[in-house]
Amino acid sequence: AQSVTQPDIHITVSEGASLELRCNYSYGATPYLFWYVQSPGQGLQLLLKYFSGDTLVQGIKGFEAEFKRSQSSFNLRKPSVHWSDAAEYFCAVAAGRDDKIIFGKGTRLHILP
Amino acid sequence: EAEVAQSPRYKITEKSQAVAFWCDPISGHATLYWYRQILGQGPELLVQFQDESVVDDSQLPKDRFSAERLKGVDSTLKIQPAELGDSAMYLCASSPPSKGYEQYFGPGTRLTVT
Repeated sequence: AQSVTQPDIHITVSEGASLELRCNYSYGATPYLFWYVQSPGQGLQLLLKYFSGDTLVQGIKGFEAEFKRSQSSFNLRKPSVHWSDAAEYFCAVAAGRDDKIIFGKGTRLHILP
Repeated sequence: EAEVAQSPRYKITEKSQAVAFWCDPISGHATLYWYRQILGQGPELLVQFQDESVVDDSQLPKDRFSAERLKGVDSTLKIQPAELGDSAMYLCASSPPSKGYEQYFGPGTRLTVT
């Protein structure tokens, strides 16, 4: 069965600084990988997804993620964060396009002014 | 822009009482999901519908939880009786046909059981 690990529960960065959120997955084959964002009191919004092809994927709100098979990782990055990026970020994995999505426990991002 | 609607947004109930949550998915979305999100955790799938049929309810505590989607549109999730451990955010999501990876989430219902 697939699983997702987000090693950092909280991350704090200064506004304008770069960001990298870590995600490691466990799955025998090539997984379907996702990053979602959840603002306080809200539902989740899909930032980006990886199915196949180019291992660097672009998402909404200036985010990107890189799939590294050798490291079983799918880290999320942003070159310059804005105060509005403060939220909880979830990495997720699925075995196929229509298979159940398994979410990590999330990383809460705090932005310093 | 079409959104998934959920009500109520917040619900406080006493243990042993019944509680129900409602979800209206985006029009045309055949697949509907109910997730439970415990504080500090990621969402966990409780039940998945394809139209009016249950596709996956393996994680639904069937002794106290029930879900229905009678006409294949909106859906209701019920808990009876509620227990203290049911306190969580209940999220509804829907996806377009053949795009189960493209899930759109509602704002959720925050349940507190006292």
